[in-house]
Amino acid sequence: DAKTTQPNSMESNEEEPVHLPCNHSTISGTDYIHWYRQLPSQGPEYVIHGLTSNVNNRMASLAIAEDRKSSTLILHRATLRDAAVYYCILRKRGNEKLTFGTGTRLTIIP
Amino acid sequence: DAGITQSPRHKVTETGTPVTLRCHQTENHRYMYWYRQDPGHGLRLIHYSYGVKDTDKGEVSDGYSVSRSKTEDFLLTLESATSSQTSVYFCATRTGTGDTGELFFGEGSRLTVL
Repeated sequence: DAKTTQPNSMESNEEEPVHLPCNHSTISGTDYIHWYRQLPSQGPEYVIHGLTSNVNNRMASLAIAEDRKSSTLILHRATLRDAAVYYCILRKRGNEKLTFGTGTRLTIIP
Repeated sequence: DAGITQSPRHKVTETGTPVTLRCHQTENHRYMYWYRQDPGHGLRLIHYSYGVKDTDKGEVSDGYSVSRSKTEDFLLTLESATSSQTSVYFCATRTGTGDTGELFFGEGSRLTVL
C-alpha cells in the first residue's frame, strides 16, 4: 500500500496562510488523497479530499501536484482554533482499511 | 455531526477482565470502524463493519472481537484485557455512498488496564 510522509511538526503565525505538505511518491491512480485533523482531546474530523484536481471547501484548499506524488493542504488564514494534528491519508477505491500515520502537529503562534 | 456516542468514555480495569466498548450512531451509516490511538502510532484500525453481522479485521485485531447486530450499534470486546490494550479507542462511521465518503469520529473512550 502507498504511504504518506509528513513533517512531524510545523508552526505558523495567527492570521497567516499555512501550507502543510504531504509526500506520497508511490500513490496509485485509484488512490484518493484525504486530509483529516484532530483537535486536542477530540476525535479526528474530515477536512478535504481530492483525486487529481485542486479542491476548495469552507475549511481549506488542497493542491495536488501534477504527478500526484505530493499534495499540500492550505489553510488560508490560520486561527488559534486550527492548532491540531493534521493527517494526510491515501484511500484506495474499495479499501476500508484506512491508515492514519502520525501526522503533522500544527502550532499557531498568537 | 454524525450522532456518534461512545460508552463508556473512561474506564479503568484490571488485567484479565473482559471489557466491552459500545459505539452508537443515529445516522444509519453503513460502515463503522474501531480505531485505537497510542503515542507515536497515530490511529490504527482494529476492526470494521460493512453491514449488520458483516465485519472484517484491521491491522491490529489480535485480542479484540466485534459484533454488529443492529445498524446503529458496533461493539468492541476485549475478552481478557492486557496492559498493552491501554489506549484511547475511537469509533467512526461512514455513509457508504461511494468510495470518497468521509469518516465521522466519536469523542473517544480512554481505557486503562492495570
